[in-house]
Amino acid sequence: KAGVTQTPRYLIKTRGQQVTLSCSPISGHRSVSWYQQTPGQGLQFLFEYFSETQRNKGNFPGRFSGRQFSNSRSEMNVSTLELGDSALYLCASSLERGALTDRQYFGPGTRLTVL
Amino acid sequence: LAKTTQPISMDSYEGQEVNITCSHNNIATNDYITWYQQFPSQGPRFIIQGYKTKVTNEVASLFIPADRKSSTLSLPRVSLSDTAVYYCLVGDGGTGGFKTIFGAGTRLFVKA
Repeated sequence: KAGVTQTPRYLIKTRGQQVTLSCSPISGHRSVSWYQQTPGQGLQFLFEYFSETQRNKGNFPGRFSGRQFSNSRSEMNVSTLELGDSALYLCASSLERGALTDRQYFGPGTRLTVL
Repeated sequence: LAKTTQPISMDSYEGQEVNITCSHNNIATNDYITWYQQFPSQGPRFIIQGYKTKVTNEVASLFIPADRKSSTLSLPRVSLSDTAVYYCLVGDGGTGGFKTIFGAGTRLFVKA
């Protein structure tokens, strides 16, 4: 089976712009979670989607949003980018029950740089 | 909000057993405790998961005491390729729960 894929792998944006990142989960996986990883804050949970619905949400501002499509593919969007949004954004998929019960499979991440 | 504490770094030699402990309070009562390994420029990779007592798989063991306020990942006979960052993951037991909380990570360096 193909692993979790994320596109694009690298992205450079300027402050104030918005960005959309894409994640394709492993075939058959219905839960998709998103994480932000930075040297200072480590791995932080953004949100989780299951069956096109946001099931759980972390403590991020409303500028961070996401969605999931009927084929389980997911996108996350960050509007009005700030310098502090520079990070590695990781997507993880799991079968059904989510990050706290199922094994998660992570993609390679999208490295976002905000100038 | 759940809090986790892990040692920042550990050194070991090839062939030794390594134990990494994660302390976690206020975690969700019904969720598993999971450990992941991460190499540079890669996403984390699942190592092991458990709820209580001891779990063992082909690469590691996980010890969780009855109070679930900590968990210890045990790597038997480490090799150079085990040099990586290790994270514990728990569920937040606070109100509005179900948030996943990663520990800050323990950087393990295995020497020859």
